[in-house]
Amino acid sequence: GAVVSQHPSWVICKSGTSVKIECRSLDFQATTMFWYRQFPKQSLMLMATSNEGSKATYEQGVEKDKFLINHASLTLSTLTVTSAHPEDSSFYICSAPVVAGPRTQYFGPGTRLTVL
Amino acid sequence: DAKTTQPNSMESNEEEPVHLPCNHSTISGTDYIHWYRQLPSQGPEYVIHGLTSNVNNRMASLAIAEDRKSSTLILHRATLRDAAVYYCILTFQGGSEKLVFGKGTKLTVNP
Repeated sequence: GAVVSQHPSWVICKSGTSVKIECRSLDFQATTMFWYRQFPKQSLMLMATSNEGSKATYEQGVEKDKFLINHASLTLSTLTVTSAHPEDSSFYICSAPVVAGPRTQYFGPGTRLTVL
Repeated sequence: DAKTTQPNSMESNEEEPVHLPCNHSTISGTDYIHWYRQLPSQGPEYVIHGLTSNVNNRMASLAIAEDRKSSTLILHRATLRDAAVYYCILTFQGGSEKLVFGKGTKLTVNP
């Protein structure tokens, strides 16, 4: 199956700093990628859709100025958590769909963000 | 998006078959049935998908009811590594690629 990577796998930062998380599709091109957030013992919540060559689309209630998304190429999307606070501590996961057919998606391994 | 209903949790013994049910009574004719699973502290992984016919792959089998209002993911011989949360999700071909995750079924495998 297709492979999606994320970097870093975990990060600890101080409150008020910004953190960048990268999502790469390693063996296929992805014009669209998705970013999810998952709090402990909860399901994945879609945050935004990252579109190559255009602005990201954010889900209701997600602050676009706080969670900056850049889809720089057909294989790379980045999520920057700006001015992070402890409540932003979560597990961030990206995914990329296979273009054709039933839209099967492949997920990255996730990034654990801890804001002190 | 059409909604799915799954039991919150299930238990199985190692090396026994596991049948994970999913109800999707509002499924439309072009909705695919996807199953993903999430192991602890990992991103979800694709398991299997189907449209109308039963499907088999190296990980599992998918049995789809004739009226398509329900489906069952079958793990033929559960191992400890199959302990995960299993999500049944419908995707509409030609529609949004977004996946809406419910709570899924947490599968516990006993040694």
